[in-house]
Amino acid sequence: QVQLVESGGGVVQPGRSLRLSCAASGFTFSSYGMHWVRQAPGRGLEWVAVIFYDGSVKYYADSVKGRFTISRDNSNNTLYLHMNSLKTEDTAVFYCARDRGSGTAYYFDYWGQGALVTVSS
Amino acid sequence: QSVLTQPPTVSGAPGQRVTISCTGGSSNIGAGYGVHWYQQLPGTAPKLFIYGDTNRPSGVPDRLSGSKSGTSASLAITGLQAEDEADYYCQCYDSSLKSVVFGGGTKLTVL
Repeated sequence: QVQLVESGGGVVQPGRSLRLSCAASGFTFSSYGMHWVRQAPGRGLEWVAVIFYDGSVKYYADSVKGRFTISRDNSNNTLYLHMNSLKTEDTAVFYCARDRGSGTAYYFDYWGQGALVTVSS
Repeated sequence: QSVLTQPPTVSGAPGQRVTISCTGGSSNIGAGYGVHWYQQLPGTAPKLFIYGDTNRPSGVPDRLSGSKSGTSASLAITGLQAEDEADYYCQCYDSSLKSVVFGGGTKLTVL
């Protein structure tokens, strides 16, 4: 069965960096685009970034552009999110999610359990 | 302020029918991009319930259905059950923002 397991969350000071990982299993990871979606405490869902199946194309939400980098290692079935210059407003549960759409018709058919990132001094 | 607008709350008694609306604009729903719906139970990850406006993934009961018209979409739940109590989010792509967009979410309460 499809499994996505995030790790790397924690408490970090403003301005510092953190890297999230998402270990994928149960499907051919290298055939699917992957996303990061976040949810601030008590708030709704916010899309963060997408990476195409082969890593050739990446898009970001304006709120994280220039600070976050999405990447993947298809040989190890792992998705990453490198987060720099973290702000208090980045505090959220970060989910990795598998893309099931085509072209820009993105949607997410499987989600991880989430990793909590708390940015606080 | 979300690009897609949902009512914050809806409620209904067991067995009743409820609908959750999702209103967008000409660069997202009105442009023909598919609308997708997710259910999120407290403390858990979202789960896909409807994709491509009207399609149900396997395992999702046919009590749930999706529809779309113009710049709006709706999720309907018939035969309301206690287990339906959750947050529901609509999602689409926006060509002006070049971004995935979500609705603000609707909390469904079963009375």
